[in-house]
Amino acid sequence: GDSVTQMEGPVTLSEEAFLTINCTYTATGYPSLFWYVQYPGEGLQLLLKATKADDKGSNKGFEATYRKETTSFHLEKGSVQVSDSAVYFCALNRSGGYNKLIFGAGTRLAVHP
Amino acid sequence: EAGVTQFPSHSVIEKGQTVTLRCDPISGHDNLYWYRRVMGKEIKFLLHFVKESKQDESGMPNNRFLAERTGGTYSTLKVQPAELEDSGVYFCASSQDPGTPIGAFFGQGTRLTVV
Repeated sequence: GDSVTQMEGPVTLSEEAFLTINCTYTATGYPSLFWYVQYPGEGLQLLLKATKADDKGSNKGFEATYRKETTSFHLEKGSVQVSDSAVYFCALNRSGGYNKLIFGAGTRLAVHP
Repeated sequence: EAGVTQFPSHSVIEKGQTVTLRCDPISGHDNLYWYRRVMGKEIKFLLHFVKESKQDESGMPNNRFLAERTGGTYSTLKVQPAELEDSGVYFCASSQDPGTPIGAFFGQGTRLTVV
């Protein structure tokens, strides 16, 4: 069945460091791919998305490129801030109007000053 | 505009007891979803309502879980009797767009601890 695999955390970085959180997927057809973020005490928020191969999603300095050949959607940011500390979830939605998101296990990011 | 609201934010109950979680979606959103994250694992889909009807309940783990959405407004998720493995964070989401969760807004979740 469809699945999403994320790198295990926690990821601990110093402020202004480069961030990569790996995400790979297994899915039938051509899914849409997402990154969600959960800041402490808040709900899940959509961070960025990509709906077809080679698309790049971007928001708040974060980027991820839909790589069909490697079935990956790695999240990157060139310079993290303390305020980026959160749990990040990679997710997919199968094509064809399926109504459910399939999430990875989440990666906790802690950024220190 | 108010977002998706979940009550309570945290619940601690004993094994065998009953707990009811509530979700108030964004006003006007016909689609309401329940998800669950157990023990730091992946967030898993539980079910999807369109108005008051269950569109897809394939993710409900067993018959101890009962979801309702009377009148197509707020939804409740009852666990009876609760077991230790039910502990986790229960998320609710709502969206206007039918058949796709892309535009879904999530609540902050209810953390359920069964002891």
